[in-house]
Amino acid sequence: GIQVEQSPPDLILQEGANSTLRCNFSDSVNNLQWFHQNPWGQLINLFYIPSGTKQNGRLSATTVATERYSLLYISSSQTTDSGVYFCAGVKYGNKLVFGAGTILRVKS
Amino acid sequence: DTGVSQNPRHKITKRGQNVTFRCDPISEHNRLYWYRQTLGQGPEFLTYFQNEAQLEKSRLLSDRFSAERPKGSFSTLEIQRTEQGDSAMYLCASSLESEQFFGPGTRLTVL
Repeated sequence: GIQVEQSPPDLILQEGANSTLRCNFSDSVNNLQWFHQNPWGQLINLFYIPSGTKQNGRLSATTVATERYSLLYISSSQTTDSGVYFCAGVKYGNKLVFGAGTILRVKS
Repeated sequence: DTGVSQNPRHKITKRGQNVTFRCDPISEHNRLYWYRQTLGQGPEFLTYFQNEAQLEKSRLLSDRFSAERPKGSFSTLEIQRTEQGDSAMYLCASSLESEQFFGPGTRLTVL
């Protein structure tokens, strides 16, 4: 199966700073999603982005499918952005394969 | 439009007991998935249904685990003879096409 590598594993930011999270895939994927896991464990959909660039408020994402990576940009970070960010992709069938996540802490 | 719901949200059980979790997908979503997440890891795929048919199962789904979706709507995941290693968050997701939407999860603790 595919391997998903996320970097960095941990990130501490001061409120208002910008950050970039990266996701590398060992093989091409047909479906790519970014999630934010809140403190109660629920996965919140951020982007469905198998290719191209999308923006939603202070968040944006870019997937370069030919080079098998995706980036999540967070601008003007807020304390509510804290949590774990996951990327996941589908190569075969319908199962999402997740990375280990990036733990983000935003300090006020 | 309600999201995916899961019940119970928390379950504490003793080793050897059977437990059953329920997932109600977003209405009209014909695809339903179960995942398991242990502490510090990303979720791992367990099984997938399209309507009532179980089309894909992970090797993680041992003989003690069984999932059903009898009428193509809600699904249940049963774990028989629970072991301490079964302690995890069990997540359900649904989709109409490719994008999957997750429920709040059921956190299982096996004592």
